[in-house]
Amino acid sequence: DQQVKQNSPSLSVQEGRISILNCDYTNSMFDYFLWYKKYPAEGPTFLISISSIKDKNEDGRFTVFLNKSAKHLSLHIVPSQPGDSAVYFCAAPTNYGGSQGNLIFGKGTKLSVKP
Amino acid sequence: DAGITQSPRHKVTETGTPVTLRCHQTENHRYMYWYRQDPGHGLRLIHYSYGVKDTDKGEVSDGYSVSRSKTEDFLLTLESATSSQTSVYFCAISEPTVNEQFFGPGTRLTVL
Repeated sequence: DQQVKQNSPSLSVQEGRISILNCDYTNSMFDYFLWYKKYPAEGPTFLISISSIKDKNEDGRFTVFLNKSAKHLSLHIVPSQPGDSAVYFCAAPTNYGGSQGNLIFGKGTKLSVKP
Repeated sequence: DAGITQSPRHKVTETGTPVTLRCHQTENHRYMYWYRQDPGHGLRLIHYSYGVKDTDKGEVSDGYSVSRSKTEDFLLTLESATSSQTSVYFCAISEPTVNEQFFGPGTRLTVL
């Protein structure tokens, strides 16, 4: 049973436009979410995170929105650049209740930004 | 970038042979993890370690074992490699008080 779901395997956008990557989760105990970015032949790199006490977190061109009632989060990239082309993973730690936990990852969305 | 290296970076082996992948960190992070990445599956946790000689199983641990005799090294062993273990393997590290994990560059393993 997938607890973190990224239902769009791929997304293509034009340079300069907004990219919106979506993630849904089923476990209401999750209280923290992370986005990772992965280029081919490299390891994933941490991009941005959000705690469940917030509904928005912004870092430059990247903003993550959290809708707890819908168990949904989204990553917005504005404006999109060709260098943003990568696979994006949504993840949640299983550490609700205060203890350190492991990350559960979605299957990823491959973003292609066309010049 | 976090100081994480993985060796080898690429390996081709035959079914039935033992394989050991090494993860080495220079960050002195307490927690270490092994993941595999496969098309259509994202990243799945194989084993993890919360300290020296303290390891536990993840979601897809069958056919894998791990060892951690030093803080900086975390070894993943395939006792008898199978074609289903063809994958890209990533090591990650983290500290107890944060959720973010930092990943190594990966090892591409092909089992023929």
